[in-house]
Amino acid sequence: QSVLTQPPSLSAAPGQKVAISCSGSSSNIGSNFVSWYQQLPGTAPNLLIYDNNKRPSGIPDRISGSKSGTSATLGITGLQTGDEADYYCGTWDSSLSAWVFGGGTKLTVL
Amino acid sequence: QVQLQESGPGLVKPSETLSLTCTVSGDSITFYYWSWIRQPPGKGLEWIGYVYSSGSTNFNPSLKSRVTISVDTSKTQFSLKLSSVTAADTATYYCARLAFGKMDVWGKGTTVTVSS
Repeated sequence: QSVLTQPPSLSAAPGQKVAISCSGSSSNIGSNFVSWYQQLPGTAPNLLIYDNNKRPSGIPDRISGSKSGTSATLGITGLQTGDEADYYCGTWDSSLSAWVFGGGTKLTVL
Repeated sequence: QVQLQESGPGLVKPSETLSLTCTVSGDSITFYYWSWIRQPPGKGLEWIGYVYSSGSTNFNPSLKSRVTISVDTSKTQFSLKLSSVTAADTATYYCARLAFGKMDVWGKGTTVTVSS
């Protein structure tokens, strides 16, 4: 069972928007920056969002991140079939002194 | 542009030690934290631990008793050793750079199977 809780799966139609939630506690999300990772089928994870809401160069602005209290959200608008992937949130947990990931959300665009 | 490449045996026998190396190219290995992450087949990501360029380490509490991570700055490499492996350690193992609270560069991953 993951320290960070994500919905196992979500689906939406092309062109629509989706919000993927990540719920934690005061020792992780509540006190540290959150990052998000996209894992396309058969590939390594790739950084999508860092410091709660910043995008690395090359990540389009239809990808966004936010944080409120002990929860974080990844938003994707204008969904494309190429967005079908697993998405993971991650952060440092100050109580565990360990990096923690969410269990992952499988996004289907249909 | 920094790149990471994992290497090591793809098959390890139960009770033996899994050993992997990650080679860093395109940037200095100093002043960063270097992590190992694994992903069992069909499952999510699990952080194993990190090593700082100075050699200091931190590990996932659930794996701490079996894990060693070391760094060789002269070779721009860092390594993972996981002892007393079982079938539950079968996974794709990734190395990644942990920079200022984010894992911003990942290797492609290497699959390790534990089987006799």
